[in-house]
Amino acid sequence: DAMVIQNPRYQVTQFGKPVTLSCSQTLNHNVMYWYQQKSSQAPKLLFHYYDKDFNNEADTPDNFQSRRPNTSFCFLDIRSPGLGDAAMYLCATSREGFLVSYNEQFFGPGTRLTVL
Amino acid sequence: AQKVTQAQTEISVVEKEDVTLDCVYETRDTTYYLFWYKQPPSGELVFLIRRNSFDEQNEISGRYSWNFQKSTSSFNFTITASQVVDSAVYFCALSEASTGGGNKLTFGTGTQLKVEL
Repeated sequence: DAMVIQNPRYQVTQFGKPVTLSCSQTLNHNVMYWYQQKSSQAPKLLFHYYDKDFNNEADTPDNFQSRRPNTSFCFLDIRSPGLGDAAMYLCATSREGFLVSYNEQFFGPGTRLTVL
Repeated sequence: AQKVTQAQTEISVVEKEDVTLDCVYETRDTTYYLFWYKQPPSGELVFLIRRNSFDEQNEISGRYSWNFQKSTSSFNFTITASQVVDSAVYFCALSEASTGGGNKLTFGTGTQLKVEL
């Protein structure tokens, strides 16, 4: 089945120790998104890739970076995690044409990050 | 700025009851899309429905139905004959075009639905 896969499902890191979360997709979608969802809150968009073009949200801290080496994979790097970065990180994909069509986003199961 | 309001934080019902989840949105766009997603305890957001601003027809899919009313900026979701498996957090979301392509979802704060035996 075509899907969005996130590894690992649970990640524990130490305060200030860099961590990388990964996302892969078999849907061949051209857009990939990263969301942060803190406990009992709505998902918040951090950034997205439209093909190879990176689009950062204005309020995303510099501590968060992303890489998309190819269509299938996208990584979220947290350079120096703080206690406030503990959250669920959700990866999503969608297929968008030249004219935005507001297609539904397909989400992975998320990676729950704990910062000690 | 776009905004989605889900005033009901938590709803508890007994199995087989009908339940309606409310969603009110704000946007200045004339073209927009509305979505509902389900988030079970496992964490994955599951897409339920997408509706564009020009289509106000109600939609029914099995036990699920949606009522879209532009006049009141509402997009409510009803589950008929609820089941324990319906227990989850339900998010309403509004889509806007993002600079650089893609579309940006603005989520409401979610409604936790608990269905008990």
